[in-house]
Amino acid sequence: DAKTTQPNSMESNEEEPVHLPCNHSTISGTDYIHWYRQLPSQGPEYVIHGLTSNVNNRMASLAIAEDRKSSTLILHRATLRDAAVYYCILRDVGSNSGYALNFGKGTSLLVTP
Amino acid sequence: DGGITQSPKYLFRKEGQNVTLSCEQNLNHDAMYWYRQDPGQGLRLIYYSQIVNDFQKGDIAEGYSVSREKKESFPLTVTSAQKNPTAFYLCASSTLAASTGELFFGEGSRLTVL
Repeated sequence: DAKTTQPNSMESNEEEPVHLPCNHSTISGTDYIHWYRQLPSQGPEYVIHGLTSNVNNRMASLAIAEDRKSSTLILHRATLRDAAVYYCILRDVGSNSGYALNFGKGTSLLVTP
Repeated sequence: DGGITQSPKYLFRKEGQNVTLSCEQNLNHDAMYWYRQDPGQGLRLIYYSQIVNDFQKGDIAEGYSVSREKKESFPLTVTSAQKNPTAFYLCASSTLAASTGELFFGEGSRLTVL
């Protein structure tokens, strides 16, 4: 698996933007960058994914560096419900192995009122 | 509603007993996965299956077994050979392996060995 590196924890104030970084210096050309988040005692849920271009959806934005060696998940206005563990993973669609990979420890986001 | 159902949500087991965790999906997904999560840790892959009657080991398959007799079902058996089975177990499914589709998770099963 191509590996990712994320900070263990981050803190944000409610209603402020949050930028969650992810480094993936060994990314290959067929690796998609995926982000998931996990609320306490629940299964993870999909947030966003991208290959080269920046992506936006109703939950977040994904900014991908030009060399693809890093990316940033952007929550535009953090709410208390956004407090979760955020996982950045690389999925190689060229290997045909699907999601046969491990998730790292992710970044635990604390949102304070 | 479409989704993944795991049962039971909580399970207690005595040492030396085998237990089976159920996972059913109605999303018509080809691929299904089992992950294990320990407190404060990420998710580690136990087994995965991309087609009925076929499955592959993940990094921590020892002490576990699976079957995939139907597309919708992918049960996981935690055997007595698993040395430290207390953990949170997550089942997931996705579309064809080569697609960029998202991974859908169940709500998890928390196993405690007494």
